[in-house]
Amino acid sequence: KNQVEQSPQSLIILEGKNCTLQCNYTVSPFSNLRWYKQDTGRGPVSLTIMTFSENTKSNGRYTATLDADTKQSSLHITASQLSDSASYICVVASYSSASKIIFGSGTRLSIRP
Amino acid sequence: DAGVIQSPRHEVTEMGQEVTLRCKPISGHNSLFWYRQTMMRGLELLIYFNNNVPIDDSGMPEDRFSAKMPNASFSTLKIQPSEPRDSAVYFCASSLAGESYEQYFGPGTRLTVT
Repeated sequence: KNQVEQSPQSLIILEGKNCTLQCNYTVSPFSNLRWYKQDTGRGPVSLTIMTFSENTKSNGRYTATLDADTKQSSLHITASQLSDSASYICVVASYSSASKIIFGSGTRLSIRP
Repeated sequence: DAGVIQSPRHEVTEMGQEVTLRCKPISGHNSLFWYRQTMMRGLELLIYFNNNVPIDDSGMPEDRFSAKMPNASFSTLKIQPSEPRDSAVYFCASSLAGESYEQYFGPGTRLTVT
């Protein structure tokens, strides 16, 4: 069964600290993996998209890694800011007879001053 | 560009009524996606169109749900008749070409069915 699991479910850190969010997936065949940031009351915004051959991709203070062998991805946030408080959603796309997009349940990140 | 535009932003209706949600994708984007988000189930892909043609509607929950894309700049998601369990935030997203490309989400329509 195609699944995307994220951990932790929620996380609270102090402003300025770093953190890492995890995403494990069992989706096959794999097409790409994306991380989205969703602020409360708004639509998700894409942070990174990685294909099978990409190991690392950065977007400002956000760095995503992908290990296609172990089917794991992480999103590292450096020097967190209050505006980083949001839900972070891992999404895996699969190419099959009917292309599928599978969403993780998200990690709720809260940055405290 | 104004981004993906959705209307209405909020909709409150009574059970049994017809609900129509509207979406205008980003100009030049060939793919359009409808999603539903609830606390219990998270984000779910309902249907997506490529060049105005429905490609995958396997996520549409029931026959009460239907989606159309009569042209490249407009799509609707209709629920008839609506039920309280349809209450959710419905997002529309568009991308340049297919699900491999970055998707841009609209602000969503919060639907409440009483």
